Order: sequence, then C-alpha cells, then structure tokens
Amino acid sequence: DQQVKQNSPSLSVQEGRISILNCDYTNSMFDYFLWYKKYPAEGPTFLISISSIKDKNEDGRFTVFLNKSAKHLSLHIVPSQPGDSAVYFCAANQFYFGTGTSLTVIP
Amino acid sequence: ETGVTQTPRHLVMGMTNKKSLKCEQHLGHNAMYWYKQSAKKPLELMFVYNFKEQTENNSVPSRFSPECPNSSHLFLHLHTLQPEDSALYLCASSQGFEWETQYFGPGTRLTVL
Repeated sequence: DQQVKQNSPSLSVQEGRISILNCDYTNSMFDYFLWYKKYPAEGPTFLISISSIKDKNEDGRFTVFLNKSAKHLSLHIVPSQPGDSAVYFCAANQFYFGTGTSLTVIP
Repeated sequence: ETGVTQTPRHLVMGMTNKKSLKCEQHLGHNAMYWYKQSAKKPLELMFVYNFKEQTENNSVPSRFSPECPNSSHLFLHLHTLQPEDSALYLCASSQGFEWETQYFGPGTRLTVL
C-alpha cells in the first residue's frame, strides 16, 4: 500500500506566482521528509528536506511546511520561474516516494 | 565524469535475453541503491548496498540479480524478464545510510518485448 501520496498529478502556475505542491503520508513513524525535482531524461535531484522536529524549512525561493497531526507536507515556490517546470517528488524516510507532481510554470 | 552515471540509457530486450545495467558513482559515497519507476507508480526501492554489502532486498524477483564489486560500481543483471518489468531503472548513491540525501543517475529505460 502506498504510504506517501501526491494526489495532484499536475499543476500549472503563472510565472511570478506561488506554486504549492502537496504530499500526504500514512505512516506516523516517518520522521524525515525530502523533496526532489526531476527534469526529463535526468534523475531526481535533491531540493529541500525537513525533519519531524521542525514545521518549516526555507531555502531561498523554496519552503517546505510539515503538519504532523495531519500527516501532510507542502512545498511552496515563490516566485515561480519557468525553469522550475519539472516533476516534483515527495519522499519520506529516504526510501518512500510519492508518484510525483508535474509543475508547469507559464511565462 | 561527475555524479552518478548509468549505462545504457535505453535497452530493449526479449524475454529470453540476459543483459546487465551498470551504475557508477564518482562522489565517494558508501551506499548505492537500485530503484524501479513504472508509469504512474512511485519509485520502488529494489536493492540497497552499504559498504558493498547488500542490506536490503525488497522482495524483488530472482530474475533481477544485483552485484556490487566495490563502493563505486553497481550492476543489475537481468534474465528471463517479463513485459511488466518494462520501466525506468534508477541508480542512486548516498554518503551514509541513515537520513541521507540520495544522488540519482539519469536512469535506464528498459523495454521487455
């Protein structure tokens, strides 16, 4: 059974606006979460992470929020840029991945 | 070469063939992994090697056989595969084994006819 879920397969956002990508998990034992970004014909690359002792982690335009009680995390990209167009994967405890959300940023 | 490389990038094979996928990491990492990504499914962890020792085999059929001769190289030997094994096979490495960021190769797109 899938323990990490990304329920939105795709998302389109205008350049300069905020992109919000969501991820839900079912296993309360998960305590470390990562976001990866994947361009076509390339492997996923690490973007940002958060441990369960925090509820927010920020790195430049990227912020990850963690809501442990809801077993939910989200990735915010502000402002969105066309180069952010990629597939974004949420992962928990290093090995449990979601199916990905394809983000398109429209110039 | 830098990062994690995989060869071949594309592979088409029949069900009776034997082939091997190769992964090489140039990052000095100690752990290496094989993942399978099928269409509309999450990445599935197949095998984990930590300091050349296999520490995880995620209920993978025996027609997939991993080999890790040293901490920089990882192989996936394939034999008598099924059409449902067609997928993107990704190799990754990390410095350690716990709470680590993984570095992925570009993947091998495998098609089994």
